[in-house]
Amino acid sequence: GNSVTQMEGPVTLSEEAFLTINCTYTATGYPSLFWYVQYPGEGLQLLLKATKADDKGSNKGFEATYRKETTSFHLEKGSVQVSDSAVYFCALSDTSTLTFGKGTMLLVSP
Amino acid sequence: NAGVTQTPKFQVLKTGQSMTLQCAQDMNHEYMSWYRQDPGMGLRLIHYSVGAGITDQGEVPNGYNVSRSTTEDFPLRLLSAAPSQTSVYFCASRPRTGSYNEQFFGPGTRLTVL
Repeated sequence: GNSVTQMEGPVTLSEEAFLTINCTYTATGYPSLFWYVQYPGEGLQLLLKATKADDKGSNKGFEATYRKETTSFHLEKGSVQVSDSAVYFCALSDTSTLTFGKGTMLLVSP
Repeated sequence: NAGVTQTPKFQVLKTGQSMTLQCAQDMNHEYMSWYRQDPGMGLRLIHYSVGAGITDQGEVPNGYNVSRSTTEDFPLRLLSAAPSQTSVYFCASRPRTGSYNEQFFGPGTRLTVL
């Protein structure tokens, strides 16, 4: 079956530091890949997506590249802000539903 | 366009009580799903529907029932609440085609079972 593995958190960074959150997946076929973000007390919002190999999704300074050869979709940002503090979920979809990773909490201090 | 709406926002139940979590969407999406979110577990799929009159089980369906009589609504019923069902519940929807399987989430219902 499908599965998503994310690095465990929390990830603690200072403002303007470089961020990487690792995500690898197992799936049959050719899934679409997503990063969702959940701010404290809120629901999930789509951050970015990629639908085929070598696609790069980007939004709000975040990027992730769909790497089929390494089955990975790592999230990166060059300079994090305090407002980026949230839980980040990697997810894949090849049918009608999503399979999520367990989430990675990011804490950014001033 | 309200998107995906969920009610109530918060609920406290006693063990053994029943209740229905409401979910509605106004985007004419065929696919709807219910997830629960627990600390350290991510989101796990409870039930889903690919259209009115069609439902199927997800990863953790026990203790929950669903029905889909209309495209817009997808209620989740707890038959006899248990403390293990204390969680945050999210409803999501997406169109059958297009959007590359992107799902749109409601704001969640935080349920506590005592």
